[in-house]
Amino acid sequence: EPEVTQTPSHQVTQMGQEVILRCVPISNHLYFYWYRQILGQKVEFLVSFYNNEISEKSEIFDDQFSVERPDGSNFTLKIRSTKLEDSAMYFCASSYPGQVAPGTEAFFGQGTRLTVV
Amino acid sequence: GQSLEQPSEVTAVEGAIVQINCTYQTSGFYGLSWYQQHDGGAPTFLSYNGLDGLEETGRFSSFLSRSDSYGYLLLQELQMKDSASYFCAVSDSYSSASKIIFGSGTRLSIRP
Repeated sequence: EPEVTQTPSHQVTQMGQEVILRCVPISNHLYFYWYRQILGQKVEFLVSFYNNEISEKSEIFDDQFSVERPDGSNFTLKIRSTKLEDSAMYFCASSYPGQVAPGTEAFFGQGTRLTVV
Repeated sequence: GQSLEQPSEVTAVEGAIVQINCTYQTSGFYGLSWYQQHDGGAPTFLSYNGLDGLEETGRFSSFLSRSDSYGYLLLQELQMKDSASYFCAVSDSYSSASKIIFGSGTRLSIRP
């Protein structure tokens, strides 16, 4: 069964450093998302991406964040200068066309646990 | 603004039926979804309601009333493996890649 894959599964970084989280969405999917989940809290929307550009972003997704689809398979989230409060699980998700409303059924990767020290 | 309200915790007995309610307030609305998340795992899609009424998928059913901005997830014949967090989620727009806004989650604990 096709799945969304994320690497690395864990990342520890020092405050102020840049991190890049990587995702390979399901191959025929066209809509890509990043979410984050602070331990024990809800899943928070960061950004959606379609047709090689950002479609929507939340207020969390400030200038420190950027996304890129550098080739036909990868989808990355970059945090330019990490802060302690960026520590969270980051989930990549994708969905396919043909749904009633795109994104109503999203397939999530297993996440990257980011710890900023 | 947008808000989704659901109970924080529910406890039930194995074999029983449990209902998890969700009320929402959003600027746009294109349907209510439900996701399951086991500890340490990723959210997994369970069901979607775009129209009023009941959708049934095996032991799980989901209901939506758009006029009441209310929905619920019904889990029947509960099994220990159903112990997880359950999130209602709203698709709030029909843009080219609409976002899904999640509720705070309901932690379901199953007792033998």
